[in-house]
Amino acid sequence: AQSVTQPDIHITVSEGASLELRCNYSYGATPYLFWYVQSPGQGLQLLLKYFSGDTLVQGIKGFEAEFKRSQSSFNLRKPSVHWSDAAEYFCAVGASYGGSQGNLIFGKGTKLSVKP
Amino acid sequence: DSGVTQTPKHLITATGQRVTLRCSPRSGDLSVYWYQQSLDQGLQFLIQYYNGEERAKGNILERFSAQQFPDLHSELNLSSLELGDSALYFCASSVGVVRGGEQFFGPGTRLTVL
Repeated sequence: AQSVTQPDIHITVSEGASLELRCNYSYGATPYLFWYVQSPGQGLQLLLKYFSGDTLVQGIKGFEAEFKRSQSSFNLRKPSVHWSDAAEYFCAVGASYGGSQGNLIFGKGTKLSVKP
Repeated sequence: DSGVTQTPKHLITATGQRVTLRCSPRSGDLSVYWYQQSLDQGLQFLIQYYNGEERAKGNILERFSAQQFPDLHSELNLSSLELGDSALYFCASSVGVVRGGEQFFGPGTRLTVL
């Protein structure tokens, strides 16, 4: 079955420090991978996505993620965290039905706190 | 602002009651998804509609039902509510069913069952 694991429930980093949020997926075929961010009281906003091609993908707000097939991972990174990055981050894999778009399967999320 | 609207924003009701959550997708989007976010289950897919037809079902209880109308807005009906149904319900929309298409999420409806 398709699944997504985010091993870290809560991470705290200092402002200006680098960030890496981990994501591992289980999917039989080529995965379609996404990172979403949810700020308190808000809906989910797409940060970036991977379908194929270059394994390092750039997203909004200075985020990037690297797809590693051998490790079944799609970790999210940011070189320098800002206080406004404090939020919950969700990794997701796109299900498919007969080759067409299906729902998203989400990990449990990682809550990011930023220390001044 | 994603362009997806959901009403109401908050809903407080009692056990055994029935409620209807409404979603208007982004202009031009034909596909609507419903997700439930709870503390214990996380974000779970409930059901998907495409151009008025049910396309996929996830972990949706029999007490829950949904439909998508000709104007493409969607409603999620929750009946015989239980305490455990308290959650944040998100609607998302996408243009179609091309793999990898971005899903745009609404702000959610927070349901509290007392």
